[in-house]
Amino acid sequence: QKEVEQNSGPLSVPEGAIASLNCTYSDRGSQSFFWYRQYSGKSPELIMFIYSNGDKEDGRFTAQLNKASQYVSLLIRDSQPSDSATYLCAVILNQAGTALIFGKGTTLSVSS
Amino acid sequence: ETGVTQSPTHLIKTRGQQVTLRCSSQSGHNTVSWYQQALGQGPQFIFQYYREEENGRGNFPPRFSGLQFPNYSSELNVNALELDDSALYLCASTRSSGEETQYFGPGTRLLVL
Repeated sequence: QKEVEQNSGPLSVPEGAIASLNCTYSDRGSQSFFWYRQYSGKSPELIMFIYSNGDKEDGRFTAQLNKASQYVSLLIRDSQPSDSATYLCAVILNQAGTALIFGKGTTLSVSS
Repeated sequence: ETGVTQSPTHLIKTRGQQVTLRCSSQSGHNTVSWYQQALGQGPQFIFQYYREEENGRGNFPPRFSGLQFPNYSSELNVNALELDDSALYLCASTRSSGEETQYFGPGTRLLVL
């Protein structure tokens, strides 16, 4: 059973701090990794994807991938109250087209 | 906005009934995936359609079925509804089956009483 694990939180950080969200996955053959943000009552919104080991930066967001450790993380710099949401980590399930396997999500709360 | 639309936005059904949910994919996207998200959980993959054919299926019983039409819009049908089917149903579209980035619609919230 392919799994994606996330700490459900809540993760609480003050405004302006760095929020670090972590995710581990069980399938060593996984190649593609995604971070989605989901506000309460809304659908998931794509933040970033990463395919290669190392870091990928997009504005205040940095995704980090370590395939040897089967670990992917998302850093949010200069956290804002508007970043308060649930962050979902997802991995492609290659055996079913391009289906995504999601973790349960980590709830982030940024206090002003 | 992702350009993916779903209808209806909310729905209330009773146990044993049947329901059809609809999804229109983003223009130029020929692959549609359906997910079920229970409260407090991550989305779970139901199935995927590519050019009107089922292209993969998750661990859901046969009473969950789907269709994709020539314009790439899609339907999710659920028969013999159970209380545990209460969830947010999400449709996501992808430019092609080889592309991996999926864009989600707003979802349909189904409540089964």
